[in-house]
Amino acid sequence: AQSVTQLGSHVSVSEGALVLLRCNYSSSVPPYLFWYVQYPNQGLQLLLKYTSAATLVKGINGFEAEFKKSETSFHLTKPSAHMSDAAEYFCAVSRGAAGNKLTFGGGTRVLVKP
Amino acid sequence: GAGVSQSPSNKVTEKGKDVELRCDPISGHTALYWYRQSLGQGLEFLIYFQGNSAPDKSGLPSDRFSAERTGGSVSTLTIQRTQQEDSAVYLCASSPGSGTGYTEAFFGQGTRLTVV
Repeated sequence: AQSVTQLGSHVSVSEGALVLLRCNYSSSVPPYLFWYVQYPNQGLQLLLKYTSAATLVKGINGFEAEFKKSETSFHLTKPSAHMSDAAEYFCAVSRGAAGNKLTFGGGTRVLVKP
Repeated sequence: GAGVSQSPSNKVTEKGKDVELRCDPISGHTALYWYRQSLGQGLEFLIYFQGNSAPDKSGLPSDRFSAERTGGSVSTLTIQRTQQEDSAVYLCASSPGSGTGYTEAFFGQGTRLTVV
């Protein structure tokens, strides 16, 4: 069984400040891990993914995440927040095989203050 | 089209009525998924189609929910005798399919279902 926990359902950051969104997972097999972003009234867009290659993964829009097996974590960061980063972010895990269903965390809504 | 297309974008229905939600995946994608996004339950997997294999229906919440995929392309999610707790955004995704390694799932914009 797999599960994903995102700490903090809402995060408020100032423009230009560090964005840190926390994600912890549990999986009985080596996982594939993902971060998705959802803008209002939009579908989900993939930000980045970990698929057992490099543990530090760089994604779109300046985001990156680091897979830490010992901590079962996959936290998402961006050094400097932009107003356009205001959205909801979802961490997800799959069992690693292509096409396997995703298990999502509860999501973290990011508010960026000017 | 260039992306996953879902219709309708919004649907309001009366409790007890049946509804059909449609998903047009990206051309050539063999894998198709349905997810539900609701305030109380977050994002939940519903069903997964892969080519001609039997679908993985393990996420369907009740026997009022069913889905089919015709010709390996378009999919329809049907909810019978809708209840207010069925109100949610239903998201469809497709991916290039199986094989070795990971293939990215691309999501549609969803159908917002409101049961009144």
